[in-house]
Amino acid sequence: EDQVTQSPEALRLQEGESSSLNCSYTVSGLRGLFWYRQDPGKGPEFLFTLYSAGEEKEKERLKATLTKKESFLHITAPKPEDSATYLCAVQATSTGNQFYFGTGTSLTVIP
Amino acid sequence: GAVVSQHPSRVICKSGTSVKIECRSLDFQATTMFWYRQFPKKSLMLMATSNEGSKATYEQGVEKDKFLINHASLTLSTLTVTSAHPEDSSFYICSARVNGPQETQYFGPGTRLLVL
Repeated sequence: EDQVTQSPEALRLQEGESSSLNCSYTVSGLRGLFWYRQDPGKGPEFLFTLYSAGEEKEKERLKATLTKKESFLHITAPKPEDSATYLCAVQATSTGNQFYFGTGTSLTVIP
Repeated sequence: GAVVSQHPSRVICKSGTSVKIECRSLDFQATTMFWYRQFPKKSLMLMATSNEGSKATYEQGVEKDKFLINHASLTLSTLTVTSAHPEDSSFYICSARVNGPQETQYFGPGTRLLVL
């Protein structure tokens, strides 16, 4: 059964304390893995798309990497404004190219 | 990135009434839009895929007669919650697919529905 799992469920960091969020997936025929940021009461905001193992994307303090089984979202020297829920989604040919979302990681960065 | 709007952002209605939510792609044309529902502290649940000029495709367990979807143009899809009940209260989010070398979905800001 196709599955997208994110960990940890919640993460509290001190400002400047770097860490990583994990998204593991078990699908056949991965077409893309997507990272989104969602603030409370808002729709998800697109961050990155990764298509193949070994690919990396960066945006400000965020860096996303991809292997054949998982993706990491690395946050370097986070700031309080990075606090949000980070969602991972997978699109696969085995699922009719539908997007499957993980349950997200709620990140809190403490000043 | 592409901009998707939703209207209204928040709606309160009485049980038994119908509510229409609009989703618009502002700076691009979207042949495909998606409607999601999100419960507190839960992930996005795909309700249906809306294709311009054709009938929507509903996910298993979603009542198509209750959640009416119309995608009449390349920039507008609507979701109508018919005969709303308190259990329909939720956060509804639409997204629009952007095709090309890097396909992705851009999301609207969401609509908070409260049925009394």
